[in-house]
Amino acid sequence: KAGVTQTPRYLIKTRGQQVTLSCSPISGHRSVSWYQQTPGQGLQFLFEYFSETQRNKGNFPGRFSGRQFSNSRSEMNVSTLELGDSALYLCASSSGQGITEAFFGQGTRLTVV
Amino acid sequence: AQRVTQPEKLLSVFKGAPVELKCNYSYSGSPELFWYVQYSRQRLQLLLRHISRESIKGFTADLNKGETSFHLKKPFAQEEDSAMYYCALRSLNYGQNFVFGPGTRLSVLP
Repeated sequence: KAGVTQTPRYLIKTRGQQVTLSCSPISGHRSVSWYQQTPGQGLQFLFEYFSETQRNKGNFPGRFSGRQFSNSRSEMNVSTLELGDSALYLCASSSGQGITEAFFGQGTRLTVV
Repeated sequence: AQRVTQPEKLLSVFKGAPVELKCNYSYSGSPELFWYVQYSRQRLQLLLRHISRESIKGFTADLNKGETSFHLKKPFAQEEDSAMYYCALRSLNYGQNFVFGPGTRLSVLP
């Protein structure tokens, strides 16, 4: 069974640009969650999608958005990038029903210069 | 509000010594508690969840609702246990998202 795949692995962007990150969950999983990991703030929840609907949202500005497609693949978008958006962005997939184990991807390392 | 605290940023022990990684949480309902581990250059992976009551790689964790703690223990640490350990909670009331603690870096010295 293939694991959670995130692309790209590394990105360098300039302030003010926008970026799109992709996550392919484990086959059969319908829930995809996104997290931001930084040395200062640790792991913080961004949002969760289940069956193409945003089910839960963390405390991040509206510049951070996401979506989920019918095949459960998810994308997150960050517009008007700021230096503070530099982080490792992790995606987690789970069945989405009940409290089940979540499987994490390797992450996308975003650097904003 | 949900919150997870891990008081130690870094914990160093010698190989063969017992290890305890502390985790405390605040939550008004009945959350499920997890320990996730991140080895060097590897993805975050589940180590333990409290409802399974399993022992994985010699680690155990007991949920103490009175003290709102979920400490991770191992009687004899191994060098390969060196990693970053995150305590996390999740509740159905808040969807599928985890609230993670800040993490403890465990370093097992030879």
